[in-house]
This record gives sequence, structure tokens and C-alpha cells, in this order.
Amino acid sequence: SQELEQSPQSLIVQEGKNLTINCTSSKTLYGLYWYKQKYGEGLIFLMMLQKGGEEKSHEKITAKLDEKKQQSSLHITASQPSHAGIYLCGADGGGSQGNLIFGKGTKLSVKP
Amino acid sequence: DTAVSQTPKYLVTQMGNDKSIKCEQNLGHDTMYWYKQDSKKFLKIMFSYNNKELIINETVPNRFSPKSPDKAHLNLHINSLELGDSAVYFCASSQLGSNQPQHFGDGTRLSIL
Repeated sequence: SQELEQSPQSLIVQEGKNLTINCTSSKTLYGLYWYKQKYGEGLIFLMMLQKGGEEKSHEKITAKLDEKKQQSSLHITASQPSHAGIYLCGADGGGSQGNLIFGKGTKLSVKP
Repeated sequence: DTAVSQTPKYLVTQMGNDKSIKCEQNLGHDTMYWYKQDSKKFLKIMFSYNNKELIINETVPNRFSPKSPDKAHLNLHINSLELGDSAVYFCASSQLGSNQPQHFGDGTRLSIL
């Protein structure tokens, strides 16, 4: 079965600094999703990547999928306290059933 | 308007009780899901329904019974609650198929005393 490994598990950065979160899959990724979770809230969809080498950006967050489609990175530029939360990568579980397999998350704290 | 709404947000109950969690989506999606997030924040699929039909049933105790009265609703009933059932339960919805983003509710925090 497919597994997603996220690193680091947790991250504390000073406001204004850049950071990167990685997600590595044990199998080829056919759809990779990034979500953000704040305490007490649900998961907020950030971005979806499908093609090898694909890169997407939204405001100060950029996500990339490598050419081999087994690793994705999420990069935040000039971090702000509002970026704090748990970032989860998810992948299609296979087949057409639509279920997602998630990594264990990266907890991001941003110090003002 | 809330896209995926779950009720209740918090549920505290005693071991052995039966409880239900409700979920509704107004996105017009044809597929709904239940996920469980444990104390270590690991999120795992439990069930998936497409147009009221069960399509995914992971290794979940049969004390858990999902019910979908229509494609906009997916409820989760849990019998004989156990301490290990304490977790956050998330409902989600999407269009069926690969590469369809899922939209999540805010979760129901279930605590078993």
C-alpha cells in the first residue's frame, strides 16, 4: 500500500523567513494534494498537482511535484503568523474511488 | 454558506453509549467520506459513499455504521463506544474520480469517558 512520508514533523520559524516542507511517496503519485489544518478546524484545500515537474503558486505558497512524481515540496516565502498550522499532503489512494491517503503532517509555528 | 457541515462539533460521552454524527454538503458533490484523525494527527479513510452507495469500507469495526439518506448527507452511527474511539472524525465530499479535491468539514471531536 502507498505511504506518504512528510518532513520535517514540526518546524518553528521566525516571521519573515522562508521554509520548505517535503512529502515523499513510496509509489508514483497520480494526484498530490496539499491541505492546511488549523486547530479546531477542518482541512483547507491549498493545491493539487498532477504532472511531473508541475508547479503551482497561491499567494506566498508554492508547491512542486518532481519529474518522477514521487516527491512534492511546499515552499512558503516570507512566512507570517497566519501560515501557522498543520500541513498535510495527500495522494489518491488508487483506483477511481477517490479516497485520499495522507502523510502524518508537518506542524508549522511562526514566531512574530 | 458552509460547504461541508458536521454536527455536533464536540461530543463527550461514556463508554458503551451509542452516538451519531451528521454531515451535510451543499456543493453538489456525488461522493462523501468519513475520515478518522487520531491523537497523533494521523488522518485515515473509514468510509466512502457515491450516490448513496458504499464504495469504500476500510478495516473499521462493525460498531461503526454509515448511512447516506441522499447524496448530500452522510451520517455516522457508532454503537457501544470504546475508549479507543476517541478521535476527531472528519466528513468530506468531492466529485468521484481521481484528481478531484476533497472539501472537509470542521470535524467532530469525540471524547469517551
